[in-house]
Amino acid sequence: NAGVTQTPKFQVLKTGQSMTLQCAQDMNHEYMSWYRQDPGMGLRLIHYSVGAGITDQGEVPNGYNVSRSTTEDFPLRLLSAAPSQTSVYFCASSYLRGHLYEQYFGPGTRLTVT
Amino acid sequence: DAKTTQPNSMESNEEEPVHLPCNHSTISGTDYIHWYRQLPSQGPEYVIHGLTSNVNNRMASLAIAEDRKSSTLILHRATLRDAAVYYCILRDVSGTYKYIFGTGTRLKVLA
Repeated sequence: NAGVTQTPKFQVLKTGQSMTLQCAQDMNHEYMSWYRQDPGMGLRLIHYSVGAGITDQGEVPNGYNVSRSTTEDFPLRLLSAAPSQTSVYFCASSYLRGHLYEQYFGPGTRLTVT
Repeated sequence: DAKTTQPNSMESNEEEPVHLPCNHSTISGTDYIHWYRQLPSQGPEYVIHGLTSNVNNRMASLAIAEDRKSSTLILHRATLRDAAVYYCILRDVSGTYKYIFGTGTRLKVLA
């Protein structure tokens, strides 16, 4: 298993540009989520999904869109990048039912908005 | 969402036990207690979780208070590789399924 993969690893955007951060998992997990981590801070939940076609907002959803058309993929779209969105973005996935609630995290995407 | 409170930082000597506390006074009956850790420049990794009873695995032990308002992650013999930020999280399995991370405890292990 590749686990949770994220692309790209690094990205520099200019203010106002849009882009999509990719996240994929091959573990057939129902639950997927996106977090951002600002320097020296904890993780904050942006959006999450409990299955294909179902998404919901986390703590800091403004400026981001998500969709879940397949179980495997959960892309995060930045609509119009702002310097405040400079952060490291982590994608995670887990089973939703039973006792296997362990979340697996991807390696992260480091985004800089200038 | 129920919140957790952890000390900002702790220090331990290598090869000594470490007890990392977490307060969660507003925990509900359906909240599982999860612990994750984040090594430098990496994504978080799962450590352990429990509901009511104490739990052990190869990485750590989790001691849960009888009233469930607090828990303690126990690393039996700290190594330099255990230096990380440790997060205590409550996961509601009956409702929104949100994982809300707090600020965590930065553990420093002294050689």
